Amino acid sequence: GENVEQHPSTLSVQEGDSAVIKCTYSDSASNYFPWYKQELGKRPQLIIDIRSNVGEKKDQRIAVTLNKTAKHFSLHITETQPEDSAVYFCAATSRGVTGGGNKLTFGTGTQLKVEL
Amino acid sequence: GAVVSQHPSRVICKSGTSVKIECRSLDFQATTMFWYRQFPKQSLMLMATSNEGSKATYEQGVEKDKFLINHASLTLSTLTVTSAHPEDSSFYICSAPQVSTEAFFGQGTRLTVV
Repeated sequence: GENVEQHPSTLSVQEGDSAVIKCTYSDSASNYFPWYKQELGKRPQLIIDIRSNVGEKKDQRIAVTLNKTAKHFSLHITETQPEDSAVYFCAATSRGVTGGGNKLTFGTGTQLKVEL
Repeated sequence: GAVVSQHPSRVICKSGTSVKIECRSLDFQATTMFWYRQFPKQSLMLMATSNEGSKATYEQGVEKDKFLINHASLTLSTLTVTSAHPEDSSFYICSAPQVSTEAFFGQGTRLTVV
């Protein structure tokens, strides 16, 4: 099955700086890579996602890059703000595949703290 | 966007009792739902795949007789934690995946077994 590794486990940045979180995956069949932000006691919220036919996607201060060859994908947050503080999870799945498709495998999470 | 509703949001039960958690898709049909468990400061771990009209598929290491899953209709899946023990205390969350859009998560259920 799929195995997703995520680094770092904790990340502290100053407000206004950039934050980068990296993930690797093992299953070459994975074709959809979402990133979630989770606040304490709440459900994960999708913040950005990327499909395997795209190398980069950007949405305002958030961007995701994907290197299919190396099986790496990364989350980039620019101009960080205190409200960005949360736990971030990457995930991978093989979308559109029957018999277990869309089953998300999550990374281990990154606690991001944006300090004033 | 689509909404997945999960109840209860919090439950405290005595050791040895059973607890039922419901997951409903409110405005779409979900033939498949996923149940995850999240221990404090850890990631979401898939427990099982709930399939409407057939038996659930459990991940390795998850006891199917302890975590009973029933997918009664195209909009409802239930997870029953039987004979709960303190080590079952966790955050349980369901998800209804979509083929062409994002997966939608329920609000989660914080289970505390005392």
